Amino acid sequence: EPEVTQTPSHQVTQMGQEVILRCVPISNHLYFYWYRQILGQKVEFLVSFYNNEISEKSEIFDDQFSVERPDGSNFTLKIRSTKLEDSAMYFCAIGQGFRGYTFGSGTRLTVV
Amino acid sequence: AQSVTQLGSHVSVSEGALVLLRCNYSSSVPPYLFWYVQYPNQGLQLLLKYTSAATLVKGINGFEAEFKKSETSFHLTKPSAHMSDAAEYFCAVANTGTASKLTFGTGTRLQVTL
Repeated sequence: EPEVTQTPSHQVTQMGQEVILRCVPISNHLYFYWYRQILGQKVEFLVSFYNNEISEKSEIFDDQFSVERPDGSNFTLKIRSTKLEDSAMYFCAIGQGFRGYTFGSGTRLTVV
Repeated sequence: AQSVTQLGSHVSVSEGALVLLRCNYSSSVPPYLFWYVQYPNQGLQLLLKYTSAATLVKGINGFEAEFKKSETSFHLTKPSAHMSDAAEYFCAVANTGTASKLTFGTGTRLQVTL
């Protein structure tokens, strides 16, 4: 059983629609991250989340993005109004420095 | 800001040959360093990590990497390539603080030929 489960595995949405990507770690963790990987490119950091608040975010993580832990276990990434350029693989990760980081299998988001 | 440079976007080796994937980092203090592997249409799997213990780190699938502070390098090696090693390899760096993000290199695609 994977340590981090992401749902859905693939989502197709129309431009301008809202999407919510979900991440469920198998056990309690304190540190959560979202990354994205545009097809054929490197993995880019979006946001880190610790103690129920954002600890760091990148320039990519603008006002259309938000994260939360609605029920203390799920960790979600919301994109309010999707653009074509949001099409990418989105990875959730858990972990901390010396312990290493574990990634989920990702959600492939396709905006049409 | 931290950064990672991976020399060679594509590396091709013969089966049984030595694999060497290069990674150099830029950081004001020795960071934590990681190598991840990504198979086609899959997620990121941790191969190995350096967290300021032994400088020679052994990972899964026969891979290892050596941290060289003087060269700011963390090159990944494997003595004998196998066809199943064909994948994308990413070097990544994180600072030693809490909730530290990973910064990834651009990746190296390893091709293994017969």
